[in-house]
Amino acid sequence: GNSVTQMEGPVTLSEEAFLTINCTYTATGYPSLFWYVQYPGEGLQLLLKATKADDKGSNKGFEATYRKETTSFHLEKGSVQVSDSAVYFCALLRLTGGGNKLTFGTGTQLKVEL
Amino acid sequence: EPEVTQTPSHQVTQMGQEVILRCVPISNHLYFYWYRQILGQKVEFLVSFYNNEISEKSEIFDDQFSVERPDGSNFTLKIRSTKLEDSAMYFCASRPPAGLVDEQFFGPGTRLTVL
Repeated sequence: GNSVTQMEGPVTLSEEAFLTINCTYTATGYPSLFWYVQYPGEGLQLLLKATKADDKGSNKGFEATYRKETTSFHLEKGSVQVSDSAVYFCALLRLTGGGNKLTFGTGTQLKVEL
Repeated sequence: EPEVTQTPSHQVTQMGQEVILRCVPISNHLYFYWYRQILGQKVEFLVSFYNNEISEKSEIFDDQFSVERPDGSNFTLKIRSTKLEDSAMYFCASRPPAGLVDEQFFGPGTRLTVL
């Protein structure tokens, strides 16, 4: 079946540090890939997505490239801020006979300190 | 900006009791979902709902669970007889009509604690 594996957290960084959160997936066919972010006390928000191989999703300084050869979708940001502290979820979506369910990773908590 | 809302934010119940978790999806959305996250574990798909019927459900979604869209705005998840292992964060999500975007919009979640 489909699955998503993320690096375990928490990840603690100083402000302006470089961020990488690793995500790999297992799926048949060609899934779409997503990063969701959850700020404290809030719901899951879509951060970025990529729908086919070699696509790069980007938003708010975050980027991730859909790598089919390594089945990866690693999240990166060149310079993190304290306001980026949140939990980040990698997810994949495959069209199913039903309503397009998302398969999530376990989430990675990011803490950014001054 | 329209958003998915969920109530209550936290529900505490005794084992064996029935609970109803409520969601108000975004108004022009047609696809509705429930997911849950047990503390420290993955966010897991429970069920998807379209055109007033379940379109897909996971093996977690057994006979103790049901969903309903009782009116034009609410989407509810009922757990008939709660178990300790039902303690989790439950997320509702909705999606616009097919052909627009494939993004699912999530609510803030309801934390269910079963004692």
